Amino acid sequence: NAGVTQTPKFRILKIGQSMTLQCTQDMNHNYMYWYRQDPGMGLKLIYYSVGAGITDKGEVPNGYNVSRSTTEDFPLRLELAAPSQTSVYFCASSYTIPTGGNEQFFGPGTRLTVL
Amino acid sequence: AQTVTQSQPEMSVQEAETVTLSCTYDTSESDYYLFWYKQPPSRQMILVIRQEAYKQQNATENRFSVNFQKAAKSFSLKISDSQLGDAAMYFCAYRSARGAQKLVFGQGTRLTINP
Repeated sequence: NAGVTQTPKFRILKIGQSMTLQCTQDMNHNYMYWYRQDPGMGLKLIYYSVGAGITDKGEVPNGYNVSRSTTEDFPLRLELAAPSQTSVYFCASSYTIPTGGNEQFFGPGTRLTVL
Repeated sequence: AQTVTQSQPEMSVQEAETVTLSCTYDTSESDYYLFWYKQPPSRQMILVIRQEAYKQQNATENRFSVNFQKAAKSFSLKISDSQLGDAAMYFCAYRSARGAQKLVFGQGTRLTINP
């Protein structure tokens, strides 16, 4: 299993440009998440999905959009990029079990710079 | 809303010695999970240890152990016999036992191992 994969690894955007960060998992996990990590800080949740066709906002959703058409893929869309969106973006996935406590598996991250 | 606080931005320890990283959290829930994640320079998020709030026994994983004080809402990580490969950012995280399993992270502690 490749686990959680993210593309691209690095990207530089100009203010006002748009892009999509790709995330794919091959573990058949139903839950998927997008986090951002600003320099020297912990991760903050942007959006999450509990299954195909179901998404919801996290702590910092403004400026982003997501979709979940398949179990495997959970792309994050940035519209009208702003310098405040300069960050490292992590995608994660997890499965549900009745006793809970299951681990979230993280991708390697995408470093995005908006100039 | 739940919050997680790591009051030590940086810690250092001599190789082979023991170090303790602190974490406190705030929640009104009684059932939840706590995690410590390691983030080396590669940026990959690696689960170190997990604690279920309903368990009184402290979790242990090889050289890593926790001191979970539920009443005090404290969750510290002890690393014994520190090794150079332990150098990383360490994040404490909280997850409710209900809902979409979203993680709430602390700000992180940068651990340096001195040879």
